[in-house]
Amino acid sequence: KAGVTQTPRYLIKTRGQQVTLSCSPISGHRSVSWYQQTPGQGLQFLFEYFSETQRNKGNFPGRFSGRQFSNSRSEMNVSTLELGDSALYLCASSLNRADEQYFGPGTRLTVT
Amino acid sequence: AQSVTQLDSQVPVFEEAPVELRCNYSSSVSVYLFWYVQYPNQGLQLLLKYLSGSTLVKGINGFEAEFNKSQTSFHLRKPSVHISDTAEYFCAVSPGNSGNTPLVFGKGTRLSVIA
Repeated sequence: KAGVTQTPRYLIKTRGQQVTLSCSPISGHRSVSWYQQTPGQGLQFLFEYFSETQRNKGNFPGRFSGRQFSNSRSEMNVSTLELGDSALYLCASSLNRADEQYFGPGTRLTVT
Repeated sequence: AQSVTQLDSQVPVFEEAPVELRCNYSSSVSVYLFWYVQYPNQGLQLLLKYLSGSTLVKGINGFEAEFNKSQTSFHLRKPSVHISDTAEYFCAVSPGNSGNTPLVFGKGTRLSVIA
């Protein structure tokens, strides 16, 4: 069974631009969660999607948004990028909401 | 609300020595507990999980953890570490089968194995 895939793996953007990251969960998994990981703040929860609905949202500004499609694939978008948005963005999928999560390799975003 | 506290942010240990990474959680309901490992420039990988049953859980790479309900702890142990165990380790909790919230992660413990 293929694992969680994230594209792109690396991304360099300029302040003020926007970016879209993609996540394909393990086949059959319905829950997708996104996390931001930085050296200073550690692993921070962004949002969770289940059956195309956002179920939980972390404490991030409205510039961070996401969605989930009917095939469970998910995208997150960050608008008006700031230097502080430079981070590793991790996507994780699980069969159901309280099950163990399987993580993708992450997308490393660098904002210059 | 649940929370997870990993008591040590960094743990240095010599190769072939034993190690314990500590994790305490708070929750008002029964929980599922997990340990994940993250190697440099990679995503998180599940090491082991406790859902129910035996309180001693064995995972991959020789790691094990013990669920202690009275002390609300889920410490990770390995009797003899290798250089390749150098990584960051995350403890996580979920509310079992009531399932209205996602996993809550601790801040991580960086394990450094010294040759």
